[in-house]
Amino acid sequence: NAGVTQTPKFRVLKTGQSMTLLCAQDMNHEYMYWYRQDPGMGLRLIHYSVGEGTTAKGEVPDGYNVSRLKKQNFLLGLESAAPSQTSVYFCASSSHRAGANVLTFGAGSRLTVL
Amino acid sequence: GQQVMQIPQYQHVQEGEDFTTYCNSSTTLSNIQWYKQRPGGHPVFLIQLVKSGEVKKQKRLTFQFGEAKKNSSLHITATQTTDVGTYFCAGRNTDKLIFGTGTRLQVFP
Repeated sequence: NAGVTQTPKFRVLKTGQSMTLLCAQDMNHEYMYWYRQDPGMGLRLIHYSVGEGTTAKGEVPDGYNVSRLKKQNFLLGLESAAPSQTSVYFCASSSHRAGANVLTFGAGSRLTVL
Repeated sequence: GQQVMQIPQYQHVQEGEDFTTYCNSSTTLSNIQWYKQRPGGHPVFLIQLVKSGEVKKQKRLTFQFGEAKKNSSLHITATQTTDVGTYFCAGRNTDKLIFGTGTRLQVFP
């Protein structure tokens, strides 16, 4: 049982390049989330999804796009990377059921934008 | 928008001393969760509190949810070096889980 898998684990981009981070979960969870973590800032919610085909904005959505075409996958895209997007990105998933909606996190993806 | 603040940002303690981190939300929460992140790792779920005034214990860890459901605390009794890491509270408001800024705990042997 792999849980939540993120790819890639590390990536270096130049300013203006685009890329996609992939998150896959095998727990049949309805909810999926993308967070970024920066020193002293905690975990900030970028976008989230409450089900296949649906997405919603979190606290810091600008500069990112997401898609949830399949229930098990949640993609985070950067169309034109900026140095301010250098961060560690965490994907998480959870059940929708009240009392069971705790987050299971992936191992993280470290992105550096030069 | 909803904000969740934690204090202190950092705490250094001698092994055996107690530790407390406090979490405050700008809005009333339906529930609050606590996570621990070891250095270089990812956040791992510790506990969830749902009821106003709820207190839960996990061995040396005691979690409280405030009466107004806007604040919470985590207390560790007699810290050990294995307690090192960053502790996050996370408040749920509808579908979103908003994390606090975290408290980094360092324990010196």
